[in-house]
Amino acid sequence: QKEVEQNSGPLSVPEGAIASLNCTYSDRVSQSFFWYRQYSGKSPELIMSIYSNGDKEDGRFTAQLNKASQYVSLLIRDSQPSDSATYLCAAYFGGGSNYKLTFGKGTLLTVNP
Amino acid sequence: DTEVTQTPKHLVMGMTNKKSLKCEQHMGHRAMYWYKQKAKKPPELMFVYSYEKLSINESVPSRFSPECPNSSLLNLHLHALQPEDSALYLCASSQEHRVGEQYFGPGTRLTVT
Repeated sequence: QKEVEQNSGPLSVPEGAIASLNCTYSDRVSQSFFWYRQYSGKSPELIMSIYSNGDKEDGRFTAQLNKASQYVSLLIRDSQPSDSATYLCAAYFGGGSNYKLTFGKGTLLTVNP
Repeated sequence: DTEVTQTPKHLVMGMTNKKSLKCEQHMGHRAMYWYKQKAKKPPELMFVYSYEKLSINESVPSRFSPECPNSSLLNLHLHALQPEDSALYLCASSQEHRVGEQYFGPGTRLTVT
């Protein structure tokens, strides 16, 4: 069973701080990883994808992938109250699981003004 | 156009009713997905269509019947549902080789009475 594990939180940070969200996965052959943001009552929205080891930055967001340690993280710099949402880590394992994206349980982030 | 649309937004149905959920995208994506999401849980994959053919059925009860009339449309036909089927039903689409980069519709909030 290929799994994605996330700290369910909740995670609370003050405005302007760095929020760090972490995720581990069970399959060394995993191909690619994604972070989705879901506001309460809304649908998930892709905010970051990462396909190779290292860091990927996009504005205030940085995704980090370490395939040897089987973890992926999302850093949100200068956190804003509008970042308050559930963040879903997802992995595409490929192979026999074609077309199936495996989600973690999500981490609820609250940014306090 | 990077939008996935879903109708209706809300649906209340009795256990003997038959209803349909509709999803549409015009991004040229050839993979389309149905998910079920319960409160505080990640999306749970139900069905995947690739090039208008059913690729994945995650052992979903037959009271849920998917249909893909063409490359832009996806339907989910509902019949004899149970109260535990009440949930947010999400449609998503992606390029067939970028499974992790899914665009979600706003969802249909279904209540079964």
